[in-house]
Amino acid sequence: RKEVEQDPGPFNVPEGATVAFNCTYSNSASQSFFWYRQDCRKEPKLLMSVYSSGNEDGRFTAQLNRASQYISLLIRDSKLSDSATYLCVVTQRSPDTGRRALTFGSGTRLQVQP
Amino acid sequence: SAVISQKPSRDICQRGTSLTIQCQVDSQVTMMFWYRQQPGQSLTLIATANQGSEATYESGFVIDKFPISRPNLTFSTLTVSNMSPEDSSIYLCSVEQVSYNEQFFGPGTRLTVL
Repeated sequence: RKEVEQDPGPFNVPEGATVAFNCTYSNSASQSFFWYRQDCRKEPKLLMSVYSSGNEDGRFTAQLNRASQYISLLIRDSKLSDSATYLCVVTQRSPDTGRRALTFGSGTRLQVQP
Repeated sequence: SAVISQKPSRDICQRGTSLTIQCQVDSQVTMMFWYRQQPGQSLTLIATANQGSEATYESGFVIDKFPISRPNLTFSTLTVSNMSPEDSSIYLCSVEQVSYNEQFFGPGTRLTVL
């Protein structure tokens, strides 16, 4: 089982639609949670952190359910510019080095269509 | 946010040769990391680059294959040694400043091994 699992998609949605991505993680000791965005042939960039209380940034809402080990990202009123791959990222202590490290999901691809 | 540059941005190399990738950041950072992103895959942590000491490698990565240097707080190199086509990938440098609890990524080096 992968440490961080995401539906690879692609999700094809029309402009203005609401779309939700889910992510599950296997390590209950995971400490911090993020959503990163990666455009084609570009580096990943932080979209938002995810907190237990849930947090919102404009059209984007992220939620964390520690009991179910589940993270979600909701995008409202989708724009063409939202087309990208969304990476679920979890930090945990590496079993090999003991250091805090990021573990990336394989990403969910979103294509917003006019 | 930190500004990170990588050189080269891309290269095509012959089997059996080695390539050194440079990562430069515009401010002093506490943590520097090297990741690999194979075609269609997510990011995998190779190692943590430690200033003035040997890098800390994740499972499946060894110093002989991926020697890393970090002579100061703003610069690191990753060498991909004795390359084979399986090493074709994007190699990304990232940095983290503890106060920000966020990792920033360089633009990546796209390596193709023939």
